[in-house]
Amino acid sequence: GQQLNQSPQSMFIQEGEDVSMNCTSSSIFNTWLWYKQDPGEGPVLLIALYKAGELTSNGRLTAQFGITRKDSFLNISASIPSDVGIYFCAGQTHSGGSNYKLTFGKGTLLTVNP
Amino acid sequence: DTGVSQNPRHKITKRGQNVTFRCDPISEHNRLYWYRQTLGQGPEFLTYFQNEAQLEKSRLLSDRFSAERPKGSFSTLEIQRTEQGDSAMYLCASSPGTVALGNQPQHFGDGTRLSIL
Repeated sequence: GQQLNQSPQSMFIQEGEDVSMNCTSSSIFNTWLWYKQDPGEGPVLLIALYKAGELTSNGRLTAQFGITRKDSFLNISASIPSDVGIYFCAGQTHSGGSNYKLTFGKGTLLTVNP
Repeated sequence: DTGVSQNPRHKITKRGQNVTFRCDPISEHNRLYWYRQTLGQGPEFLTYFQNEAQLEKSRLLSDRFSAERPKGSFSTLEIQRTEQGDSAMYLCASSPGTVALGNQPQHFGDGTRLSIL
């Protein structure tokens, strides 16, 4: 089955620093998404990418859909304490109106030191 | 609040008991998904509904699990004869599902955390 390799597993940074995390896959996805999850809550959508090569920003967040459709990265600039949480990448395939399930990475735990 | 709503938020039960969770998706979202998340892992797909039709079930969904979406709105996930390994966070997500809208991202509820004693 499809698997996503997300790295790094965890990051400990100082407030104000930039951070980058990425996901790679053994197979192609049509859509890449990035979610953030806080303890005891569900994942919250940050960015959705629909085209290979697409670069999309959402405030201090920037994400790219790799040309090969097998990878994506997420950058956070000028980190702040509320950026703390677990970041998940997710890939989605879809064809013929069938299942649109998400395949998730294992997450990157981000800790920001004030 | 117009997001995905899940109830209960927490459920503690003894092994062997049956449990049922409810999910109310975002209004007018045709697609509804159930995922399971264990500690240190990303969510894993369980099953998917397009309106009231259950279109796919993961191999993770054993015979003890059943999901319904009778009127194409809210959904329930039932686990019969619970086992220790069923302890997890059960997440529901929904998305619009029309050709005109194309592929829209899934939005998640805050989940139901199940603990089996």
